[in-house]
Amino acid sequence: QKEVEQNSGPLSVPEGAIASLNCTYSDRGSQSFFWYRQYSGKSPELIMFIYSNGDKEDGRFTAQLNKASQYVSLLIRDSQPSDSATYLCAAMDSSYKLIFGSGTRLLVRP
Amino acid sequence: SAVISQKPSRDICQRGTSLTIQCQVDSQVTMMFWYRQQPGQSLTLIATANQGSEATYESGFVIDKFPISRPNLTFSTLTVSNMSPEDSSIYLCSAKYSPNEKLFFGSGTQLSVL
Repeated sequence: QKEVEQNSGPLSVPEGAIASLNCTYSDRGSQSFFWYRQYSGKSPELIMFIYSNGDKEDGRFTAQLNKASQYVSLLIRDSQPSDSATYLCAAMDSSYKLIFGSGTRLLVRP
Repeated sequence: SAVISQKPSRDICQRGTSLTIQCQVDSQVTMMFWYRQQPGQSLTLIATANQGSEATYESGFVIDKFPISRPNLTFSTLTVSNMSPEDSSIYLCSAKYSPNEKLFFGSGTQLSVL
């Protein structure tokens, strides 16, 4: 069974710190990976996607992919209280469907 | 990014009734999906809505319970039939422009079954 695993948290970091969110996946056939942010009571919002091994940066966000280790991470630099949300990791399978992890709740303390 | 309108945004329904959720995308998309998110849980894929043909359901979901229509490339409906309290959940419509592209979500429908 294809699975995406995330630590449920909460991950608590002080304002201005780097938040590091991690995710592992079981399907070696997965080629594309996505990070969504979900505020309470809202629908998921895509914030990053990555296809290739290595790092991809977009503003304060950096996604990292290591296909050999089947590991994906999201770094949030200069964390703000507004970043407090649940972060969902997703892997796209060979049928182009997204398999979601259970999410990590991030709390950024002012 | 796609603009996906979903309605109703929330509803409270009685046990045994059915609710149809509508999803409208602002432009033609190749793939549309329906997800469910139960309280405190992650997203579970219900089915892929196929244009002009029967939807493709994931394990644990059946057409009699969750009939889906997709008459064209921008519109789909999901019906939750013969509802029970266990169906209380958020139902999310999603779409992507091409198979290996990003997936966007509608605003969701919060369903409560009494």
